[in-house]
Amino acid sequence: EAGVAQSPRYKIIEKRQSVAFWCNPISGHATLYWYQQILGQGPKLLIQFQNNGVVDDSQLPKDRFSAERLKGVDSTLKIQPAKLEDSAVYLCASSLIRKTSGSSYEQYFGPGTRLTVT
Amino acid sequence: GNSVTQMEGPVTLSEEAFLTINCTYTATGYPSLFWYVQYPGEGLQLLLKATKADDKGSNKGFEATYRKETTSFHLEKGSVQVSDSAVYFCALKRSNTGNQFYFGTGTSLTVIP
Repeated sequence: EAGVAQSPRYKIIEKRQSVAFWCNPISGHATLYWYQQILGQGPKLLIQFQNNGVVDDSQLPKDRFSAERLKGVDSTLKIQPAKLEDSAVYLCASSLIRKTSGSSYEQYFGPGTRLTVT
Repeated sequence: GNSVTQMEGPVTLSEEAFLTINCTYTATGYPSLFWYVQYPGEGLQLLLKATKADDKGSNKGFEATYRKETTSFHLEKGSVQVSDSAVYFCALKRSNTGNQFYFGTGTSLTVIP
């Protein structure tokens, strides 16, 4: 079974530029998560989708970050404009949903995209 | 609120030493608890999990027991190997709607031969 795919793996941009990350979850996984992992910290949830709807985006800086999952499969996360403090690894994860309870199984993570903003 | 607190690292051990990484949590309701491992240059991988009080998760020689009375989920391994060098993250998942995960800050482990 193929894992969660992310691209690019690395990206270096200057502040005020725009950047986009792509994620393809494991086939059949209804829930997709984007996390920001700053060096030395644990992953922080940015946004959670269930199918193509947003479940939680309370920690997404909406003035500069946006994300979409139009067909309920792959997803893009965009930053426009980027700031120095956005330098981090952006992780995508996906999970199945239990049909009976609606709760999720464990998450499977992609390798991440390391963003450096200079 | 919901949060996870892990012991700070880095931790350096000799091969075959005993490992304990402490994790305590604060949560509403009855969360599920997880340990994830991140090897250098790779994404996070699930190491083990426990979904209710007194459950013991185990995998690859690692164990952790869900202790509701002490709100803890400490990770242990009796004899570490060089290949166990990685960053370990404790996490909880709320049991109510939303399925949101909360991660600790991670503990870096280095095992030396």
